[in-house]
Amino acid sequence: GQNIDQPTEMTATEGAIVQINCTYQTSGFNGLFWYQQHAGEAPTFLSYNVLDGLEEKGRFSSFLSRSKGYSYLLLKELQMKDSASYLCAVRDSGSARQLTFGSGTQLTVLP
Amino acid sequence: KAGVTQTPRYLIKTRGQQVTLSCSPISGHRSVSWYQQTPGQGLQFLFEYFSETQRNKGNFPGRFSGRQFSNSRSEMNVSTLELGDSALYLCASSVTGMNTEAFFGQGTRLTVV
Repeated sequence: GQNIDQPTEMTATEGAIVQINCTYQTSGFNGLFWYQQHAGEAPTFLSYNVLDGLEEKGRFSSFLSRSKGYSYLLLKELQMKDSASYLCAVRDSGSARQLTFGSGTQLTVLP
Repeated sequence: KAGVTQTPRYLIKTRGQQVTLSCSPISGHRSVSWYQQTPGQGLQFLFEYFSETQRNKGNFPGRFSGRQFSNSRSEMNVSTLELGDSALYLCASSVTGMNTEAFFGQGTRLTVV
């Protein structure tokens, strides 16, 4: 099975940088995904990590350490529209290959 | 290209009834996964279909079932509805369902009364 932990809520100020952490325990690992979900909307893909290191995509970056079972999503130059839930999800490496999601981190960006 | 389309967007059903939800994936995508999202449990995997075959299944009772058609469209059925089945049901499509990005539909909000 898999267990994914991420903070429930975070608050940051417009223009600042925020780091959302995700830790996981898994019997098999085949990639970690970050999704953004605005209230009442579908989750949208942000990033995918399968190897250790940092993946940068504009204002968003994601880091993975497989040995530590740890990932973070870094959001720079925060904007009000970044207020949303951020979901960490792990794909296992067994025959299931399903995505297991964390409960999500609700980020509120304040002016 | 068109995104993932789920119908209907909203449903109200009575306890004991059954319901069928539909998901049309992005053209060319052969994998369709279904998820249940509730405030208490978050996003939970229901099942995945690939080329008309159920490839993976989550820990949900047999009242939850699904199928996929030759055009990759998928349906999910819930029989003998319970109050606890009230949730947002999301489907996600991807090319192969492996190490590829999954695109979510807008979801179907099911309320059981």
